[in-house]
Amino acid sequence: AQSVTQLDSQVPVFEEAPVELRCNYSSSVSVYLFWYVQYPNQGLQLLLKYLSGSTLVKGINGFEAEFNKSQTSFHLRKPSVHISDTAEYFCAVSWATTGANNLFFGTGTRLTVIP
Amino acid sequence: GAVVSQHPSWVICKSGTSVKIECRSLDFQATTMFWYRQFPKQSLMLMATSNEGSKATYEQGVEKDKFLINHASLTLSTLTVTSAHPEDSSFYICSATPRPGTGDYEQYFGPGTRLTVT
Repeated sequence: AQSVTQLDSQVPVFEEAPVELRCNYSSSVSVYLFWYVQYPNQGLQLLLKYLSGSTLVKGINGFEAEFNKSQTSFHLRKPSVHISDTAEYFCAVSWATTGANNLFFGTGTRLTVIP
Repeated sequence: GAVVSQHPSWVICKSGTSVKIECRSLDFQATTMFWYRQFPKQSLMLMATSNEGSKATYEQGVEKDKFLINHASLTLSTLTVTSAHPEDSSFYICSATPRPGTGDYEQYFGPGTRLTVT
C-alpha cells in the first residue's frame, strides 16, 4: 500500500517571499512523484515530476522539488512567489511499475500569496 | 503538451435525470482514461479506470450502475451519471495516459465538469 501526506492544508505567504510545500509518501516499492497545480474551477496542471535520475527536479513557473528517498519526501519550493501562484497544489505518487497509472493524491495545500 | 478536453464544462440538471460527460484526448491516443470526483476543498478521488474496448474498473464504493463509463475509442471516454441526485453534485475530472511504449509517463487532465443537481 502507499499513501501521500501533505501536512499543510493552507500556506499563506507574502509576495516575493520563498515558499515550501511539504509532501511525504510511503511505499514499499519504487515510485514516481508528481506535483500538480489547480486553479479555481479548473483541472490539474503538471508542475513537475520525478521519474529517476537527478533528485532535484525543476518545473514550470519557477518551481522545483527535491526527491529525498531516505526521508521519503518530495517537497515543492519556489524562491519568490507571485500573486498568480495562489492556487491549490497536489502532490501525487504512482508505482514505477505502472507508470502514470494508479495516481494517489495528497489532500492538497492551498497556497495563498498575500500582496 | 498533450491536451485533454471535457464537455460540458458545467451542467445543471434536475434530480432523477441522467447526464453524460465527455472526455477527449485531442492530440494523442489514450489507451487508459481515468475519472475522478472532487468535492469542494478536497482532493481528487479516483472513481474508475477505463481501458479502450473493455469494461471499466471501478474503485471500491463507486456504483457501476450509477456511473456508467464507456471508452469506445482511443480518444473518447464518457461518464454518464444516471438518475442523478443532489448528492452527486460535484466536480468531475477526467485524465488520460498515452499508449504504452511512448515513454510518456504522465496523466493529462481535463479542465473538469461542474455538475449541479437540483
